[in-house]
Amino acid sequence: DIQMTQSPSTLSSSVGDRVTITCRASQSIDSWLAWYQQKPGKAPKLLIYKASTLESGVPSRFSGSGSGTEFTLTISRLQPDDFASYYCQQYHSYPYNFGQGTKLDIK
Amino acid sequence: QVQVVQSGAELKKPGSSVKVSCKASGGTFTSYAFTWVRQAPGQGLEWMGGIIPAFGTSHTTPKFQGRVTLTADESTTSVYMELRSLTSDDTAIYYCARTGGVWESQRYPQHWGQGTLVTVST
Repeated sequence: DIQMTQSPSTLSSSVGDRVTITCRASQSIDSWLAWYQQKPGKAPKLLIYKASTLESGVPSRFSGSGSGTEFTLTISRLQPDDFASYYCQQYHSYPYNFGQGTKLDIK
Repeated sequence: QVQVVQSGAELKKPGSSVKVSCKASGGTFTSYAFTWVRQAPGQGLEWMGGIIPAFGTSHTTPKFQGRVTLTADESTTSVYMELRSLTSDDTAIYYCARTGGVWESQRYPQHWGQGTLVTVST
């Protein structure tokens, strides 16, 4: 199985900050990586797929990069609505494991 | 507009089974794969398995093999997840999601259902 490791587990930031979340795969997954945002009591929401393709309707302040085993999600200027949990997921090979998540909260 | 609607909350006894349904609308049913993900209270997302109705194939993570059955019904554009031999550790929200397509490059969960809370308790 491919293991996905996110860092940090928690991140405290302020509105307007630029933040970066890292996701590492235990073996190469090419660019088959997605990022999700989840707010309390809600279903996850797709932000990015194929490592860097922005899902329709997602604000351009979100961006993704990377390939192989190391990936990043960047939020360029944090907005109040962005404080949530974020997960990466590989869909290169079964099982399509998620990272353990990063909780982004207000400093 | 795509909608993914799941069945309602369930309360089950240990040792019993639960079957959660997921109905997708918007687009052709066989043009997509479906994924099941669960989230225990206060925990992260756990991929359980996926089914591709057009290919008649399904995959489940080794942890659930033998306990989970994934099925699809094209006539009702619905997919189902049955989990057997329930224990309190299976208490979680179970999500169904339709993916971007059937091919490997498209199997990211794109449109999510609202989730179904399954509580296992005596």
